[in-house]
Amino acid sequence: DAGVTQSPTHLIKTRGQQVTLRCSPISGHKSVSWYQQVLGQGPQFIFQYYEKEERGRGNFPDRFSARQFPNYSSELNVNALLLGDSALYLCASSLGQVNSPLHFGNGTRLTVT
Amino acid sequence: AQSVTQPDIHITVSEGASLELRCNYSYGATPYLFWYVQSPGQGLQLLLKYFSGDTLVQGIKGFEAEFKRSQSSFNLRKPSVHWSDAAEYFCAVARPNRDDKIIFGKGTRLHILP
Repeated sequence: DAGVTQSPTHLIKTRGQQVTLRCSPISGHKSVSWYQQVLGQGPQFIFQYYEKEERGRGNFPDRFSARQFPNYSSELNVNALLLGDSALYLCASSLGQVNSPLHFGNGTRLTVT
Repeated sequence: AQSVTQPDIHITVSEGASLELRCNYSYGATPYLFWYVQSPGQGLQLLLKYFSGDTLVQGIKGFEAEFKRSQSSFNLRKPSVHWSDAAEYFCAVARPNRDDKIIFGKGTRLHILP
């Protein structure tokens, strides 16, 4: 079975631009979470979506938004990019039930210049 | 607020030697506890988790971890490391029975000497 897939794998954007990152969960998983991992740090929680509804939100500005589609895939959007948004963006999927383990994709490396 | 401290940024051990990676957490009750491993250019792979019950948890790749409530610790151990264990290791906590928000530590980079 395919794992969590993310696209694109790498992306270079300019300050002020907007970016959309995509994630396809493992088949049967209804929950998708997004994490930001800045170089040298652990991942930080951005959002969780379950059954197309936002279930959790981390401490990120409103420039960050996400949505989940009927097929449970998800997009993360970041507007008005800043240099500090340069990071590895990780998507994780789960069944969304208590104790369900998270399965992470390999991430999208975003560089803002 | 929950937090996770991994006091060692880098650790170097010889192949075949034993390993212990330290992790301390701050949480008002017993949290869910995890160890993840990340190889260069890869996502995170779950090594093991603790939710309740036996405080010694066995994971994949020969790793184990012990939950010590009195010390707020969840240290990761392996009796004999292999060169393929070189990676970054993250300890993490989550609130029981809640959302998929996991709080990660800053990680420990493990280097293996031949």
